[in-house]
Parts: sequence; structure tokens; C-alpha cells
Amino acid sequence: RKEVEQDPGPFNVPEGATVAFNCTYSNSASQSFFWYRQDCRKEPKLLMSVYSSGNEDGRFTAQLNRASQYISLLIRDSKLSDSATYLCVVNKVGFKTIFGAGTRLFVKA
Amino acid sequence: DAMVIQNPRYQVTQFGKPVTLSCSQTLNHNVMYWYQQKSSQAPKLLFHYYDKDFNNEADTPDNFQSRRPNTSFCFLDIRSPGLGDAAMYLCATTQGPSTDTQYFGPGTRLTVL
Repeated sequence: RKEVEQDPGPFNVPEGATVAFNCTYSNSASQSFFWYRQDCRKEPKLLMSVYSSGNEDGRFTAQLNRASQYISLLIRDSKLSDSATYLCVVNKVGFKTIFGAGTRLFVKA
Repeated sequence: DAMVIQNPRYQVTQFGKPVTLSCSQTLNHNVMYWYQQKSSQAPKLLFHYYDKDFNNEADTPDNFQSRRPNTSFCFLDIRSPGLGDAAMYLCATTQGPSTDTQYFGPGTRLTVL
């Protein structure tokens, strides 16, 4: 079993749709959590950090459930420019970073 | 302004011919990481430097080495590239432990002929 697992993709949604991504992690000692966005053939870029209290940034909402070892990302009112791969990232103690394989999103007009 | 710079952006080498990839940063971060990312896969951590302290991941092949001559620069050396080493190589930095946000460079895409 992989340490970080994400929904298999791709997700194909129309503009304006709401889409949710899920991610689970296996190591309960994991300390910090992030969602990164990666465009085709580009580097990953931080989308948002994820906290137990939940956090929102515009159309994006992230949530962490430590008890279930589960992380989510909700995108409301999808835009064409949201098309990308979304990577779930889990950091353990020290310098160990584990990336999920990513979920590809296609937003269509 | 670019904060993490990687050179070259594209590198073509021959099977078995050593190659060096370069990363530099203007953030003055303590930690520099090298990742390997193959098509449609997650970035895989190869190793990292915390200042001058080198930390190799257990499953990183011996074929991969790294040097950090100063805070700003870090190099990835592939001693004898194989066809399976063709990938995107990403450099990233953090100020401290990886609980911090990682800042990635644009990557070097390596082709092995």
C-alpha cells in the first residue's frame, strides 16, 4: 500500500462545477499536509496548506481529518484555468516528504 | 524574480555518460532537495541537504550523487545514466524541516539516448 493515496483520475467537469479530491495517508505520525498544483511539464506549486480546522482560499477549501487520516480539497465554480494535476503532500518528522501520485482535472467549457 | 533556478532546463545524454544537473536558490534556505519525477508519477525524493549535512533516501541508487558547495548551489550527479533514469529532476528548498512550504525550481528534463 502506498503511503499517500489519491483518487484515481482524470476528473472531467464542466466550467462552474464543484469538484472534490480525496487523499488518504497511512502514517499516523505525519505532521503537515499540503495540496500542490502541477501543470503539464511544469514544477509543482503550493496551492494551500491543510489544517484540522479547515482552511479556505477563495474557491478552494481544504480539510484534514487526522482520526481518519484523510485530506480533502474542494474546488467550487471550476474555471478552465483550474485544469491541472493536484498533488496531495504529506510531511513526516524531519525532512521526509511524500507525494501522492496526483489527480488530473480537466475543466471543459 | 526566480527564486529556485535549475540549469539546464533540458539535458540530453548518452547511455552511461555522466551528467550533472544544477540548482541554485536566492532564498537563503537551509534545506535543498532533489526529486525525480517520471511521467504520470509522483515526485520521488532522492536526497536532501540540511546545510552541509547530506541525507540519502534508502532506496536512492548509488548511481545518483549530490554536492552542495555552498548555501546557494546544489548539484545532482548521475554517474552512469541508464534509460530508466530519463525523467524530470526537480530541485526544491525549505527554510527548515519539510513542515515548511517547499519552493520548487522549474525542473530539468533528462533524456537518455
